[in-house]
Amino acid sequence: EDQVTQSPEALRLQEGESSSLNCSYTVSGLRGLFWYRQDPGKGPEFLFTLYSAGEEKEKERLKATLTKKESFLHITAPKPEDSATYLCAESHNFNKFYFGSGTKLNVKP
Amino acid sequence: EAQVTQNPRYLITVTGKKLTVTCSQNMNHEYMSWYRQDPGLGLRQIYYSMNVEVTDKGDVPEGYKVSRKEKRNFPLILESPSPNQTSLYFCASSMTLQETQYFGPGTRLLVL
Repeated sequence: EDQVTQSPEALRLQEGESSSLNCSYTVSGLRGLFWYRQDPGKGPEFLFTLYSAGEEKEKERLKATLTKKESFLHITAPKPEDSATYLCAESHNFNKFYFGSGTKLNVKP
Repeated sequence: EAQVTQNPRYLITVTGKKLTVTCSQNMNHEYMSWYRQDPGLGLRQIYYSMNVEVTDKGDVPEGYKVSRKEKRNFPLILESPSPNQTSLYFCASSMTLQETQYFGPGTRLLVL
């Protein structure tokens, strides 16, 4: 059974303190690894899709990377507005998607 | 404005009383999906649809039904709700299978 594990469950950072969130997956034959941001009371908002090991994508202070077993979301010099829950998901056929339980990030000014 | 809408946003009901949560998208997307989100369990896929009249089970389909009679609508039906279906439900859509999924605002359901 596909399984996605995210760590840590929660992360508190000072503004400007860079860090990384981890997403590990068990599926073989991964077709896509997805990162989403979810703000309280809202639906997830798409950030990145990674398709193969070694791939990297960047958007403002966020950079997502992918290996054969895990993905990292690197946050460089975070700001309070980056506070949210970050979700990752994997799919091996683009029909079914398996989500992790998320990392709740809190960035203090 | 491109969006996925869900109704109602909040619903309190009693065990066994049939209910429908509607989902509609205005982007002409082919793929639509329903998820439930529970604390500590993350988002779990209930059903998905690749096009009109084409639906299939996700990871947790028991107790739910769906239909896709029109491209824009994908209602979620709970024929006989039970308390373990109390959850936050999200509908999502994408142009094709590989494209970005856009999520609706969520429907919070409480079954007493």
